Amino acid sequence: DAGITQSPRHKVTETGTPVTLRCHQTENHRYMYWYRQDPGHGLRLIHYSYGVKDTDKGEVSDGYSVSRSKTEDFLLTLESATSSQTSVYFCAISAWRDRGDEQYFGPGTRLTVT
Amino acid sequence: QKEVEQNSGPLSVPEGAIASLNCTYSDRVSQSFFWYRQYSGKSPELIMSIYSNGDKEDGRFTAQLNKASQYVSLLIRDSQPSDSATYLCAVNIPRNRDDKIIFGKGTRLHILP
Repeated sequence: DAGITQSPRHKVTETGTPVTLRCHQTENHRYMYWYRQDPGHGLRLIHYSYGVKDTDKGEVSDGYSVSRSKTEDFLLTLESATSSQTSVYFCAISAWRDRGDEQYFGPGTRLTVT
Repeated sequence: QKEVEQNSGPLSVPEGAIASLNCTYSDRVSQSFFWYRQYSGKSPELIMSIYSNGDKEDGRFTAQLNKASQYVSLLIRDSQPSDSATYLCAVNIPRNRDDKIIFGKGTRLHILP
């Protein structure tokens, strides 16, 4: 258990509304990630952070923004939700184990945009 | 070319038999390889990591890596119904600043009681 929580766990929202998902970790890991998982596409990286206020884009970043004002919190914002953003969102951290960095996932947030 | 490829399955294996899951990757400079297990409706759980050619065993699980063939596999011995899940292969892709991990789409494994 890497001490990762996500909130909310489930959310239904309407098209055009802003949505913020929160990821919280308790073990002071430097790297944090946001992924989305969709049938037929697998896990895809949205954004990641390599420190407080340091973030970068992943492969599917359009329509998403992130912020990290504290080491323990990484926020994902959908500025204006669209139906194509209906997905399961996972937060992950990277931790050094044995001989390399390994990623551990939070429990996920199921988002439905109607 | 897809970076990490897995057969989507489902792979059906009788209880007690060996389940063999396979993965190929395209980037020759990859150094770290991972297997995740994901139950339906749950998050991926890291079950094996492997960094060197050869076999790595952990309980009923054995990961096998062949960098020359760009191939990594997961063997599950004495398969149990609780092993029924989707297994994701993941590969580390070195980059200038931050490495990234690419996930395959997963293989669905079904253990037949």
